[in-house]
Amino acid sequence: GAVVSQHPSRVICKSGTSVKIECRSLDFQATTMFWYRQFPKQSLMLMATSNEGSKATYEQGVEKDKFLINHASLTLSTLTVTSAHPEDSSFYICSAREDSSNYGYTFGSGTRLTVV
Amino acid sequence: AQSVAQPEDQVNVAEGNPLTVKCTYSVSGNPYLFWYVQYPNRGLQFLLKYITGDNLVKGSYGFEAEFNKSQTSFHLKKPSALVSDSALYFCAVVWQAGTALIFGKGTTLSVSS
Repeated sequence: GAVVSQHPSRVICKSGTSVKIECRSLDFQATTMFWYRQFPKQSLMLMATSNEGSKATYEQGVEKDKFLINHASLTLSTLTVTSAHPEDSSFYICSAREDSSNYGYTFGSGTRLTVV
Repeated sequence: AQSVAQPEDQVNVAEGNPLTVKCTYSVSGNPYLFWYVQYPNRGLQFLLKYITGDNLVKGSYGFEAEFNKSQTSFHLKKPSALVSDSALYFCAVVWQAGTALIFGKGTTLSVSS
């Protein structure tokens, strides 16, 4: 079945530094990927839609300059949290939609970001 | 706006009993509905989806869901719960092909032995 690899699974960084999270579709092409943020025991909030070769579409209230998204190939999207602050600490999850299916969504295993 | 609602924060059921996790939706046009399960500090695992066709959808791990257009519901069910089913369950909707999944708030299922 479709597999999405998300890396790292856990990261601790200092305030003011940047962190990059990778989301890779291993066995399918994904022109479109999605980035979500999840707070403890809460739902997944869509942050942005990432499209290969074009700029990401951000949801209202999400800072584009803080959460940089790059989708440079059909199998890789990256989320960079710039100048991280403790309030950016969260669980980030990516999802890739299979190009061959309008409704085939596969999720990565998530990244626990802690900013100290 | 397109949305799904999960009215229960938590559902408790004894092992071996049937379980139901509720979901209602609000979508203009045809709804495309999904159920996912999440274990602690993990990503989401797909259980089942309704796109079109038979209203009763069978999915992974013995779960099923029934699409009810008149009640705008898509409740998740399982005839006999297992302790290992204890997890966080999300209902989600896609309002247009290719767009992002929009999630409900989630329901914690607790199955006691």
